[in-house]
Order: sequence, then C-alpha cells, then structure tokens
Amino acid sequence: GAVVSQHPSWVICKSGTSVKIECRSLDFQATTMFWYRQFPKQSLMLMATSNEGSKATYEQGVEKDKFLINHASLTLSTLTVTSAHPEDSSFYICSARAPAGGPDTQYFGPGTRLTVL
Amino acid sequence: KNQVEQSPQSLIILEGKNCTLQCNYTVSPFSNLRWYKQDTGRGPVSLTIMTFSENTKSNGRYTATLDADTKQSSLHITASQLSDSASYICVVSVLSGNTPLVFGKGTRLSVIA
Repeated sequence: GAVVSQHPSWVICKSGTSVKIECRSLDFQATTMFWYRQFPKQSLMLMATSNEGSKATYEQGVEKDKFLINHASLTLSTLTVTSAHPEDSSFYICSARAPAGGPDTQYFGPGTRLTVL
Repeated sequence: KNQVEQSPQSLIILEGKNCTLQCNYTVSPFSNLRWYKQDTGRGPVSLTIMTFSENTKSNGRYTATLDADTKQSSLHITASQLSDSASYICVVSVLSGNTPLVFGKGTRLSVIA
C-alpha cells in the first residue's frame, strides 16, 4: 500500500522558536496533502488542505501566518509552526491523497509529536 | 451538519473474545466509509474502505459492514489479540471537491490477558 512518512517523529522546542515538519509520499505522487492536529483523546482535526503548486486552504480558526504550509513538489509538503507556544503542543499528522484509479482515500503519516516548552 | 458518531467510547475485552464497534453517520453526499486503527502516538492505518454499494468487507480478523440506508456501519473484531488495543476511528468521505473527511471520535479498545 501507499506509504507516507513524516519527519521528525517528535520534536521539543522552546517557546518562540519555529519548527518545520516534513510529510513525504514515498511511493506515489500526491497532488493533495492534508495536515491534521490531534489533541489527547480527541479525533483528528483538519488544519489545512495543501495542493501542489498552489496556496494551502486553511480551515476556519487556523492561522495561516502561524502554520505555514508549502507543497513544492508532488511528494513533499511541509508545515512550519512559527513562533511556537506551549498551546501549540500537539500531535500533527499529515495525509496524502492516493493516486487516481481506486477508491478515493487518504494515507496517513505516522505523526509528529510537538512539545513546546 | 455532517457528523460521525461512534459507540462505545471505550471498551475492554478479554484476549480471544470478539467485539463489535458501531458507527452512525449523517454525511451527504456520501462517497465512502473507512475504518482506521490508530495506535497510541501513531498515525491512523486503514483497515477497510467501503463504497455505497458494498455491504461488507473483511481484512483478516476485521470485518466491516455498511448499511447505506440506515447510515450505519460496524467493525467486528474476531478472536481479539493484545495488539488490537488501539483507537478505532470511523471516517466518512464527502463526495465533493477535495472529498473532505468527517471523523468520528473513535472507540478506545483495550484487550487484556
């Protein structure tokens, strides 16, 4: 099946610093990638939809200037949390839409645990 | 409003026993329904995906059912193993544009020896 990787798997940073998280589709090209945030014991919450070569579409309530998304290639999307604060500590998960030809589905990455001190 | 409701919220069963998780949804227009398994600290992994015309689909010890008329789905786990302990998330895809996903809150399953 399709494989999606994330890097890093976990990161600890100081308040006020910026953190970049990478999401890669390893064996397929993904024109659309999605970024989610998950708080403990909660379900995934969509933050933004990232289309290759265009600006990301952010969900209501998600600050686009704080969560910078870049989707420069068909296999890589990055999420940068700028000026991180403790309340940004969460589990960030990306997904990539599978290539056409089968049921529309998304393959999820393993997630990145962000802890802001 | 598009919603996915799962029950029970949590479940504890003995190793070797069977269990069934429920999912009710009010999503329109419907594209497909998926069940994911999410281990703690990991991303969701797809177990099954069913379109409108499919009533049942199996993946090893996991069997999912779908009743598109009543908008209900279930996930049956047979002969549970300790490694089945995880959150099971029901997700419905909306048939539009970027086919956004509507997530249930999941059922936390604990399998004990």
